[in-house]
Amino acid sequence: SYEVTQPPSVSVSPGQTASITCSGDKLGDKYAAWYHQKAGQSPVLVIYEDSKRPSGIPERFSGSKSGNTATLTISGTQDMDEADYYCQAWDSSTVLFGGGTKLTVL
Amino acid sequence: QVQLVQSGAEVKKPGSSVKVSCKASGGTFSSYAINWVRQAPGQGLEWMGGIIPMFGTAKYAQKFQGGVTITADESTSTAYMEVSSLRSEDTAVYYCARSSGTVRGYYFDYWGQGTLVTVSS
Repeated sequence: SYEVTQPPSVSVSPGQTASITCSGDKLGDKYAAWYHQKAGQSPVLVIYEDSKRPSGIPERFSGSKSGNTATLTISGTQDMDEADYYCQAWDSSTVLFGGGTKLTVL
Repeated sequence: QVQLVQSGAEVKKPGSSVKVSCKASGGTFSSYAINWVRQAPGQGLEWMGGIIPMFGTAKYAQKFQGGVTITADESTSTAYMEVSSLRSEDTAVYYCARSSGTVRGYYFDYWGQGTLVTVSS
C-alpha cells in the first residue's frame, strides 16, 4: 500500500533553519500538505498544495517539492515552533499521513 | 470563520459503541467534506473516513470499514462518527476536520478540538 515517510525527529538551534522531508512514491503527482501539532492541541495546517501558506501562518514556514519528496522548511526557527509535524497526501480517495516528525528546538 | 465543535469526552466499556458529534458553524456545511481522524495516545494521525453532507455517502479507510459509521445532518450542520464493538485499542482522541482542495490533493483546513474516547472495563 502507498505510504508517506518522514524522519521521526529533527533538531535545530533557535534562529537556524529546520527542514523536514516527506517521501512517497506518488508524491510527484499529488499535492502535499503539512500540519503542526503542539502537545494537547489540535493539528494546524501550515502548508497546503505543496507550497501555499494559509492566512495567519508566519512567513518563516515554507514548502517545496522535488520529485517524490516534499520538504517543509522553517527559517529562523523559534522556540514556539517546537511541535510534531505531519505531512499528508491524498491518493485514490484515501488520505495518508506520514508518521510525524518531532521538531526539537535546542 | 469556520468553527467545528465536538462533543465531550466519553468513557466506554469494551464491546459497547460511541457516537461523537461535530457541529459546524460559519461556513457552507453541505458542500465540504467532514473527515474523522484518530490519534491514539502518543501516536500519529490516522484518517478514518469522511462524508460530503450534500451527497450523504461516506468513504472509509480500509482499516475502519465495517467498524465505523459516519453520517451527517444538514439541518443541524452536524456530522457524526460512531465506532461499534469498542476495544481498548480504540482509546484515542478523535478529531473532525473539514477538507478543501482538488482531486490532486485535499487538505484539512479546519479542525475540531478533539474528543477523547477511553475504553476501559
